[in-house]
Amino acid sequence: GQQLNQSPQSMFIQEGEDVSMNCTSSSIFNTWLWYKQDPGEGPVLLIALYKAGELTSNGRLTAQFGITRKDSFLNISASIPSDVGIYFCAGQLLRDAGGTSYGKLTFGQGTILTVHP
Amino acid sequence: GAGVSQSPSNKVTEKGKDVELRCDPISGHTALYWYRQSLGQGLEFLIYFQGNSAPDKSGLPSDRFSAERTGGSVSTLTIQRTQQEDSAVYLCASSVRASPWNEQFFGPGTRLTVL
Repeated sequence: GQQLNQSPQSMFIQEGEDVSMNCTSSSIFNTWLWYKQDPGEGPVLLIALYKAGELTSNGRLTAQFGITRKDSFLNISASIPSDVGIYFCAGQLLRDAGGTSYGKLTFGQGTILTVHP
Repeated sequence: GAGVSQSPSNKVTEKGKDVELRCDPISGHTALYWYRQSLGQGLEFLIYFQGNSAPDKSGLPSDRFSAERTGGSVSTLTIQRTQQEDSAVYLCASSVRASPWNEQFFGPGTRLTVL
């Protein structure tokens, strides 16, 4: 099946620094999404990307959908302590063998972010 | 509350016992998804429901796993004869409908520990 490789696995940074993480896939996805998971909670959607080459910002977050449809990155600028958590990339197909996709998410392994004040 | 809820939040069981995990989706959401998150791993798709129907069960790891949904609302994931490798966080998500255009909202998960 499809797999997403996410890197780095973990990051330890100082407050105020910028962060970058990325995901690559062996096959094409039509949609790339980035989630954040806090301890004891489910993932929360940060950014969704629907078009190859698309660059989208949400506050201090910026994400891009790779032109090959096989990769995406997420940047966090000027990190703050509440950015701590696990960040996941996820891919979706718009169509599968049965027709219109039902929205199944394929996740990367996650990046654990620690921010030191 | 307005979000997805799951119960119990934690479950410790002995190997060989059966467990039931419950998910209450957001009211009005017709699609419901189950995922499993093993330690240090991303989420792994298990099964989804559109209404009470489960068109894709391909993610269920073995025939010990089953799920049902009644009344287009609450869903139960059942694991029979639990094994230690079943230990994980089981997450439920719901969306307005089963489509890549509709955001999935996740519950807090049930942490299952099999001793």
